Amino acid sequence: AQSVTQPDIHITVSEGASLELRCNYSYGATPYLFWYVQSPGQGLQLLLKYFSGDTLVQGIKGFEAEFKRSQSSFNLRKPSVHWSDAAEYFCAVGAWDYKLSFGAGTTVTVRA
Amino acid sequence: EPEVTQTPSHQVTQMGQEVILRCVPISNHLYFYWYRQILGQKVEFLVSFYNNEISEKSEIFDDQFSVERPDGSNFTLKIRSTKLEDSAMYFCASREVTNEKLFFGSGTQLSVL
Repeated sequence: AQSVTQPDIHITVSEGASLELRCNYSYGATPYLFWYVQSPGQGLQLLLKYFSGDTLVQGIKGFEAEFKRSQSSFNLRKPSVHWSDAAEYFCAVGAWDYKLSFGAGTTVTVRA
Repeated sequence: EPEVTQTPSHQVTQMGQEVILRCVPISNHLYFYWYRQILGQKVEFLVSFYNNEISEKSEIFDDQFSVERPDGSNFTLKIRSTKLEDSAMYFCASREVTNEKLFFGSGTQLSVL
């Protein structure tokens, strides 16, 4: 069975500081991996995805993520956060059919 | 950027009542999905739909649930007889055949009293 673990429920970071959100997955085959962001009252917006190829993927809003097969991880990073990055972030795993399994989410608070 | 539209944003219903959640996927998309998120829990896959039939469904999607594409633009989720545990945020999503990006709507918050 596929599953995703996001170990951090809540992270607080200062504006301008770097951010790293952790994601570990369990999947029987080569996974499709995703990071979504949800702001209050909004839908889930795709930040980036990994299907194959280069293990460091670039996404929107200055985010990147690195796929590490040996560690079953797909951590999300941003070098310098902005106040507008405050949101909930979800990691998800699945396959071509988009039957995705989501993590529980990490809430990011940005302090001035 | 194109959007998936869901209506209503909030719906309150009595236990045992039927409810229909509506979604307008992006116009050239052919794959459609429903996901839900119970408060404090993970986002869960419910069902996928392609070519006017269900492609896959989860264990949650029992006989009380049904989906339909009644016309060329809408995609609906019906819950026949709602239960308290159906209270959740329901997300509709869609994608093109070849595009790998899955677009989500902003959700319908269903409250069953």
